[in-house]
Amino acid sequence: DIQMTQSPPSLSASLGDKVTITCQASQNINKYIAWYQQKPGKAPRLLIRYTSTLESGTPSRFSGSGSGRDYSFSISNVESEDIASYYCLQYDNLPTFGAGTKLELK
Amino acid sequence: EVQLVESGGGLVQPGRSLKLSCAASGFTFSNYYMAWVRQAPKKGLEWVATISTSGSRTYYPDSVKGRFTISRDNAKSSLYLQMNSLKSEDTATYYCARHRTTDWYFDFWGPGTMVTVSS
Repeated sequence: DIQMTQSPPSLSASLGDKVTITCQASQNINKYIAWYQQKPGKAPRLLIRYTSTLESGTPSRFSGSGSGRDYSFSISNVESEDIASYYCLQYDNLPTFGAGTKLELK
Repeated sequence: EVQLVESGGGLVQPGRSLKLSCAASGFTFSNYYMAWVRQAPKKGLEWVATISTSGSRTYYPDSVKGRFTISRDNAKSSLYLQMNSLKSEDTATYYCARHRTTDWYFDFWGPGTMVTVSS
């Protein structure tokens, strides 16, 4: 199984900040990584697929990059509606999620 | 509009069984691989099972293999998860999710149904 190491577990940001979350896979995942946003009591929402492709409806302040084993997800100009938990998912093999990052307001 | 609605959750004793259902609408159900993903209280997401379009192929992680069975009824646009020999660590919200047509990520999710395994 491919393991996904996501960091940091939590993040504190001010409105307008840029934040970055990273995921490292236990092996090359060939850019097959997606990123999800989850708000309390809600189902996850797909934001980005195949490393950097934004899903329809995802604001352009969200972005993703990476290759091989190392990937990152960023939010530029954090807005109040971005306060949520974020998860990476590798789908190069049977799917596995990162442990998640909780984004809070400073 | 794509809709997935889970049902069948509840309180069940350890060692017992429970069957979850997911009703799909707003898309051609038979064209998509489908999955179950769970989330223990205040924990992360864990993929639980996937089934092919025809139902002929199923996939599970080791944590549930041999205890959980995923199935589907394309005529009813419904997905199921039979859970046997339940353990306390199976306590979670269970989400029905759709795989994107040609890829293994999940593009739509239901609101989830809670399963509590406790005596």
